[in-house]
Amino acid sequence: DIVMTQTPLSLPVTPGQPASISCRSSQSLVHNDGNTYLCWLQQRPGQPPRLLIYKISNRFSGVPERFSGSGAETDFTLNISRVEAEDVGVYYCMQATQFPYTFGQGTKLEIK
Amino acid sequence: EVQLVESGGGLVQPGRSLRLSCTASGFTFGNYAMNWFRQAPGKGLEWVGFIRGKVYPGPTEYAASVKGRFTLSRDDSKSIAYLQMNSLKTEDTAVYYCTRDPEPKNWGQGTMVTVSS
Repeated sequence: DIVMTQTPLSLPVTPGQPASISCRSSQSLVHNDGNTYLCWLQQRPGQPPRLLIYKISNRFSGVPERFSGSGAETDFTLNISRVEAEDVGVYYCMQATQFPYTFGQGTKLEIK
Repeated sequence: EVQLVESGGGLVQPGRSLRLSCTASGFTFGNYAMNWFRQAPGKGLEWVGFIRGKVYPGPTEYAASVKGRFTLSRDDSKSIAYLQMNSLKTEDTAVYYCTRDPEPKNWGQGTMVTVSS
């Protein structure tokens, strides 16, 4: 199984400041079809998950431009350019390149 | 608008069975593979299984933790995916979600399954 490792697991951020979450996979996430199925999900308290970014860097419909994704192969990053209060929650990376699909442990973002 | 509505959850005793449904709308259901995920209380997300659409037939995939106990199926004429859960264990207690494959672009509210005596 592909192991997804997120850092940090806890992320206190002052509003207006940037934030960054790292996700590393135990093997390359490049699929046979040439795509890299790495996505980022946000889960606000008491809510279902919400897709933010798919295929490394594609922002999903309705996701604010302050969210961006980058990376390749085994190293990926979610960046928030200026954190807002509504960004509080847990962020997960997930790979859908190989079965079983696997998630990172989650990073809890809190406002300072 | 794409919508996914999970249903069928509830309280069930260990060893018993339950069938969950995922009712889809807003897209051509038969053209898409579907995934099931779950989230135990206070825990992270876990992938449960994958069932292909008619466009790309092939095997159904399962997480090791549910293989042999859970079965995925679908009725494309009704736009519904099913998760048949047998021999339920206390560790199957979770909120269950269905999404399209491969990018989980749309999530419903999920359906809660509690396995307890």
